[in-house]
Amino acid sequence: NAGVTQTPKFRVLKTGQSMTLLCAQDMNHEYMYWYRQDPGMGLRLIHYSVGEGTTAKGEVPDGYNVSRLKKQNFLLGLESAAPSQTSVYFCASRTPNQETQYFGPGTRLLVL
Amino acid sequence: SQQGEEDPQALSIQEGENATMNCSYKTSINNLQWYRQNSGRGLVHLILIRSNEREKHSGRLRVTLDTSKKSSSLLITASRAADTASYFCATQGNSGNTPLVFGKGTRLSVIA
Repeated sequence: NAGVTQTPKFRVLKTGQSMTLLCAQDMNHEYMYWYRQDPGMGLRLIHYSVGEGTTAKGEVPDGYNVSRLKKQNFLLGLESAAPSQTSVYFCASRTPNQETQYFGPGTRLLVL
Repeated sequence: SQQGEEDPQALSIQEGENATMNCSYKTSINNLQWYRQNSGRGLVHLILIRSNEREKHSGRLRVTLDTSKKSSSLLITASRAADTASYFCATQGNSGNTPLVFGKGTRLSVIA
């Protein structure tokens, strides 16, 4: 099993550009999460999903959209990137009856 | 806002010494978890303690939970250089699909 994978690993965007981050898991997990990690801020939840076709807002959802069209994939979109979205983005997943989360390796995003 | 607050923010010890990190949180929880993050990598789950437990062990890790004080501690005994990483506490509320809320982390450096 690959576990949780994230694509791409690193990306540089110009302000105003759009992009989609892909998270994929092969563990048949129902729940998936997108976090961002900034220096000194720990992890903050952006959006999450408790099942295919469902999404919910987390602590810092503004400027991001998500979709969960397939159970194994959770997409995070930036419609118009801003320098404040420079961060490391982590995806995680888990099953409903297991509280621990499995994390991907992260995507480093730089917005100029 | 973030639920957990780790203390200290940074800790530097010699190999073989014990390392203690503390976490305080604000609201009632179902469980509290500790995660480890090596530099540039995703988070890895270490240990979970439920609200009705007071202490838990896993190898060189010992976690305590005091729900009356809303605090937890993580003790790593006989530390090794390979334990150098950031450690995060994360709390889960009482609803089944409540996302984890992470603290800002403690950066541990173990000097050989």
